[in-house]
Amino acid sequence: QLVLTQSPSASASLGASVRLTCTLTSGHINFGVAWHQQQPGKGPRFLMKINSDGSHSKGDGIPDRFSGSTSGTERYLTISSLQSDDEADYYCQTWGTGIRVFGGGTKLTVL
Amino acid sequence: VQLEESGGGLVQPGGSLRLSCAASGFTFDDYAMHWVRQPPGKGLQWVSLITWDGGDTNYAESVSGRFTISRDNSKNSLFLQMNSLRPEDSAIYYCAKEDDSIIADWGQGTLVTVSS
Repeated sequence: QLVLTQSPSASASLGASVRLTCTLTSGHINFGVAWHQQQPGKGPRFLMKINSDGSHSKGDGIPDRFSGSTSGTERYLTISSLQSDDEADYYCQTWGTGIRVFGGGTKLTVL
Repeated sequence: VQLEESGGGLVQPGGSLRLSCAASGFTFDDYAMHWVRQPPGKGLQWVSLITWDGGDTNYAESVSGRFTISRDNSKNSLFLQMNSLRPEDSAIYYCAKEDDSIIADWGQGTLVTVSS
């Protein structure tokens, strides 16, 4: 079964960096993921797609502070130079034949 | 890309509702489309997808047999017919555009509340 696992919460200080993790089930190591940001009270926004080889492509207007990487079944979203409006929920999403799956989301707090 | 949902509201358990999504800013019939929902205070849940030509549709287990996704490419519109609604179907429903197997654009959502 295709499942994505995310830590429920993360925190980091203003100006610092944070790495969020999305873990695929072991049988899906070759799957890519997309990351989406949802700021409080708003709809989601697509950030980037990360392939299993670590290559990634960003959505329009996504700043260079957002980057992606891969290790085994883990797919990472790294945000550097944290700003107050980075405080949001972050969801990863993947795809199978005829289905799409979301992780449970990580609530990022900027201290 | 603009995606504008409509049709949400309050409905009693067992009732029906039809959501619409008006798309603009891209060639609608080039892309598969999705509905994704978010219950109050919870995470995103994928609901359904439809291929560019409407030839194939898929549903989450939780809505299969009750919800029907469709599209009208001549009107750049996506629909979700929801029947036999349950309180657990209460959520914000988002229309979303797919690109290369991922959801690449989102609407602002429409709220559905199922309650007596």
